[in-house]
Amino acid sequence: EVQLVESGGGLVQPGGSLRLSCAASGFTFSDHYMDWVRQAPGKGLEWVGRTRNKANSYTTEYAASVKGRFTISRDDSKSSLYLEMNSLKTEDTAVYYCTRVYIWGGYTTDLNWGQGTLVTVSS
Amino acid sequence: DIQLTQSPSFLSASVGDRVTITCRASQGISSYLAWYQQKPGKAPKLLIYAASTLQSGVPSRFSGSGSGTEFTLTISSLQPEDFATYYCQQLKSYPITFGQGTRLEIK
Repeated sequence: EVQLVESGGGLVQPGGSLRLSCAASGFTFSDHYMDWVRQAPGKGLEWVGRTRNKANSYTTEYAASVKGRFTISRDDSKSSLYLEMNSLKTEDTAVYYCTRVYIWGGYTTDLNWGQGTLVTVSS
Repeated sequence: DIQLTQSPSFLSASVGDRVTITCRASQGISSYLAWYQQKPGKAPKLLIYAASTLQSGVPSRFSGSGSGTEFTLTISSLQPEDFATYYCQQLKSYPITFGQGTRLEIK
């Protein structure tokens, strides 16, 4: 069974930093692209970014709202995904989900989701 | 960026009703569209990908159609467990974007 468990959320002041982790199990982590998606309280879903797999050089993509402040990384030996968040703003307050990307015939989609971890940016 | 606009934003319906949610893209995205269901306090759940492919385990009363800029999610006969918020997502180009959501409530 695929499991994604996020951790590392909490309260941080504006301008601060936080590192989220996502522990994956139940699949061959190294084969897969992974995404981060967030959801502000009472709002819709916002894609944060993606890391590709080793075969695709671990390249990354980011939403404009986080580019230059957030960094996605992974450790395939630990089946873990990370989101390093710097220069945090109040508008970064959200539940952050990690997802496993499924690729089928050239199409991608966020197949499996973790339970999410809440990040609150407030003074 | 590709914008996705869902309509309606809110829908009130009864058990047994047939409902349709529309998602319009600001530019053509071929069939690079997915649909998700989200219940309060829970993570989203994938329903449909590649515009019309039903994810394994999803009831057949859910169906998706469309290509290019206009897409629909149809629930043929609403069940009590279907009352939730639905999102479309485009995966044609970066940044990946979501629609604003359609909240489906019991009439």
